[in-house]
Amino acid sequence: GAGVSQSPRYKVAKRGQDVALRCDPISGHVSLFWYQQALGQGPEFLTYFQNEAQLDKSGLPSDRFFAERPEGSVSTLKIQRTQQEDSAVYLCASSLGGTGNPLHFGNGTRLTVT
Amino acid sequence: AQSVAQPEDQVNVAEGNPLTVKCTYSVSGNPYLFWYVQYPNRGLQFLLKYITGDNLVKGSYGFEAEFNKSQTSFHLKKPSALVSDSALYFCAVRAAYGQNFVFGPGTRLSVLP
Repeated sequence: GAGVSQSPRYKVAKRGQDVALRCDPISGHVSLFWYQQALGQGPEFLTYFQNEAQLDKSGLPSDRFFAERPEGSVSTLKIQRTQQEDSAVYLCASSLGGTGNPLHFGNGTRLTVT
Repeated sequence: AQSVAQPEDQVNVAEGNPLTVKCTYSVSGNPYLFWYVQYPNRGLQFLLKYITGDNLVKGSYGFEAEFNKSQTSFHLKKPSALVSDSALYFCAVRAAYGQNFVFGPGTRLSVLP
């Protein structure tokens, strides 16, 4: 079975450009998480969906960051007016419902803002 | 608030020797604890979890972890390290359903031949 798929794998953006990062979760997974990972550091929580409902967006660093999952499957993380500090790897993870089910991660999108 | 500490940035061990990667956590209520491994340019890969029951849990690739409630620890162990175990290891905690997973800063494991 397919795992979590993220695209693009790499993205270079000029400062001020808008970017959209896509995540295809594992089929049937109701929970979807976005994390930001700086080089050599642990993932930092951005936002969390249960089906199409965004239950927690407390980790989004600014109002330039926006995430959606309109049909409860594919999710898009959008960053408007990118800044150099947005450069990081953006990880998407999905999970079956329930507290004890682990996250299954995609390989991430490496965003570089120049 | 939930938090995870991994006190060692780097752990070096000789191939064939036992390894331990340390993790301590802070959470209200009963914790749900996880270990993940990350290879270069890849996402995190699930190794094992503790939800309830036996304090010693076994996972993938011969790894195991011991939950210690009094010490709020969940150390990752393996009896005999392989060079291929060299990677970045993350401990994570989740307090309850509907809450996010909080990850530690990671420990880089180097297994020397």
